[in-house]
Amino acid sequence: EVQLLESGGGLVQPGGSLRLSCAASGFTFSSFPMNWVRQAPGKGLEWISSISGSGDTSYYAGSVKGRFTISRDNSKNTLYLQMHSLRAEDTAVYYCVRDWGAFWGQGTLVTVSS
Amino acid sequence: DIQMTQSPSSLAASVGDRVTITCRASQGIRSDLGWYQQKPGKAPKRLIYGASSLQSGVPSRFSGSGSGTEFTLTISSLQPEDFATYYCLQHSSYPWTFGQGTKVEIK
Repeated sequence: EVQLLESGGGLVQPGGSLRLSCAASGFTFSSFPMNWVRQAPGKGLEWISSISGSGDTSYYAGSVKGRFTISRDNSKNTLYLQMHSLRAEDTAVYYCVRDWGAFWGQGTLVTVSS
Repeated sequence: DIQMTQSPSSLAASVGDRVTITCRASQGIRSDLGWYQQKPGKAPKRLIYGASSLQSGVPSRFSGSGSGTEFTLTISSLQPEDFATYYCLQHSSYPWTFGQGTKVEIK
């Protein structure tokens, strides 16, 4: 059974940093591209980043480019999202998503507030 | 960037109704589109991939059609558990983009 378990969310001050993790199981992790998608409270879904199976190619939404970094450790079956210079508008539930959306984690809430 | 225009933004329907939701892409995306259902407090669940292929385990009352720039999600006979918000997602090119969502409510 495919499982994606996000962690690392929490309350952070504006300008702060946070690293999210997504532990994957139930499939050959290195064979699949992975993604982060977020949802601000009461709002729609927003794709923010993707990374290839090998980790050598990544893509970002303009809203996070230069502030967020996606990475993966295939030996640990774990996906990461390093977030810097956080803003109030980054407040959202962050979902880890496999390939083209077949599987989603339960999400982790990031709140940026002073 | 490819814009996905989803309509309607909300609709009220009764159990047993046929429901249709549309997504229009600002440029051609072949069949690189999925449909998702989201219930409050839950992660989205994929219903349709490749514009028209039914995700395993999803009831056959859900169907998808279209290619290029016009796509449709149809629920042939709305059931109580189908009241939710639906989104389309294009993954033809980066940045991936979602439609704005359609909230299906009870009439």
